[in-house]
Amino acid sequence: KAGVTQTPRYLIKTRGQQVTLSCSPISGHRSVSWYQQTPGQGLQFLFEYFSETQRNKGNFPGRFSGRQFSNSRSEMNVSTLELGDSALYLCASSLGLGTGIQETQYFGPGTRLLVL
Amino acid sequence: EDKVVQSPLSLVVHEGDTVTLNCSYEVTNFRSLLWYKQEKKAPTFLFMLTSSGIEKKSGRLSSILDKKELFSILNITATQTGDSAVYLCAVEAQGAGKSTFGDGTTLTVKP
Repeated sequence: KAGVTQTPRYLIKTRGQQVTLSCSPISGHRSVSWYQQTPGQGLQFLFEYFSETQRNKGNFPGRFSGRQFSNSRSEMNVSTLELGDSALYLCASSLGLGTGIQETQYFGPGTRLLVL
Repeated sequence: EDKVVQSPLSLVVHEGDTVTLNCSYEVTNFRSLLWYKQEKKAPTFLFMLTSSGIEKKSGRLSSILDKKELFSILNITATQTGDSAVYLCAVEAQGAGKSTFGDGTTLTVKP
């Protein structure tokens, strides 16, 4: 079974621009979560989508948004980029069966974003 | 707010040594605790722990959870240079998809 894929793998943008990152989950997985990883802040949860709906949200400003399509693929958008947005953005998928069901999240390779 | 604290932050050992990594947590409506290994790429899953006192084992790695004292340990015996990585601990609350991660323990194994 193919793993989680993320595109692009690397991206360089300038301040003020916007960016869209894409994530394709493992086939059959319906939950997609996004994380930001930086050396200073570690791995921080952004949001989780399930069945095209945002189910959980972390503590990030409104410039960070996402969506999920009917095939479970997800996109994450960051508008008005700031230098501090430079990070590795990781996507993880899981079955998404719901509360009480133990699940494992499988991570994609990440998109490394550099904001100049 | 959910919180995960890992210790030590970094560790340097020699091949053949045994190491113990610690993870303590505070979470509302705990569901599971997970360990990941991260090298120069995305984290890879190691263990998921949901019940106290039951050791999970995979080769030289093992882990156990104490839900009363709110901590977990990850043991690596007979370490090898390939074990060098950042080991991340995460806790999941009820409601799938959201994990809170610790800052990780950077393990360096010298030949």
